[in-house]
Amino acid sequence: DTGVSQNPRHKITKRGQNVTFRCDPISEHNRLYWYRQTLGQGPEFLTYFQNEAQLEKSRLLSDRFSAERPKGSFSTLEIQRTEQGDSAMYLCASSLDPPPYEQYFGPGTRLTVT
Amino acid sequence: KNEVEQSPQNLTAQEGEFITINCSYSVGISALHWLQQHPGGGIVSLFMLSSGKKKHGRLIATINIQEKHSSLHITASHPRDSAVYICAVLNFGNEKLTFGTGTRLTIIP
Repeated sequence: DTGVSQNPRHKITKRGQNVTFRCDPISEHNRLYWYRQTLGQGPEFLTYFQNEAQLEKSRLLSDRFSAERPKGSFSTLEIQRTEQGDSAMYLCASSLDPPPYEQYFGPGTRLTVT
Repeated sequence: KNEVEQSPQNLTAQEGEFITINCSYSVGISALHWLQQHPGGGIVSLFMLSSGKKKHGRLIATINIQEKHSSLHITASHPRDSAVYICAVLNFGNEKLTFGTGTRLTIIP
């Protein structure tokens, strides 16, 4: 296992379309995190899973956003009816539980909404 | 006021100089990450620390829990060190990261 992978790496979509991103964590990691990073800013927390359970969602995650981790392995993040403000880098990270929860990041998916 | 503040926001230095990047935070934490982000977006974890000091090659990270402050030092800086360095704290009790806005480091040959 070479680390956290994310697909696609880049996505360009028109406003109003739906998009789905995938994250494959490090295989033995049971925690998985999604973050969003806009240009010039640090990443912001969106949501995280322990195994298949979604434990916390940020207020940034509007009802157009949904994340799943159905079998406790890979995760998907879907954005419905995309808006230009959704343009950002979407980062996934994974960690082991129990502590210290050191997180390992994927390369990110850059979304551009035109 | 952000929970995690970094300084400076931008830093340009000559190759070989000693570099210091600072991070202050205002919340209770269980640990602090220093991360490196190159153009294109990928983030690499450099250190995770909860006390004292860690060293890896030319990189040194220190943390003072009482003062809620951490520093990242780079000795004998090299152009390949040019990147954005991000401080992120693991919030005590909920295990999610809160990030600073990053320090853009440029090392000139």
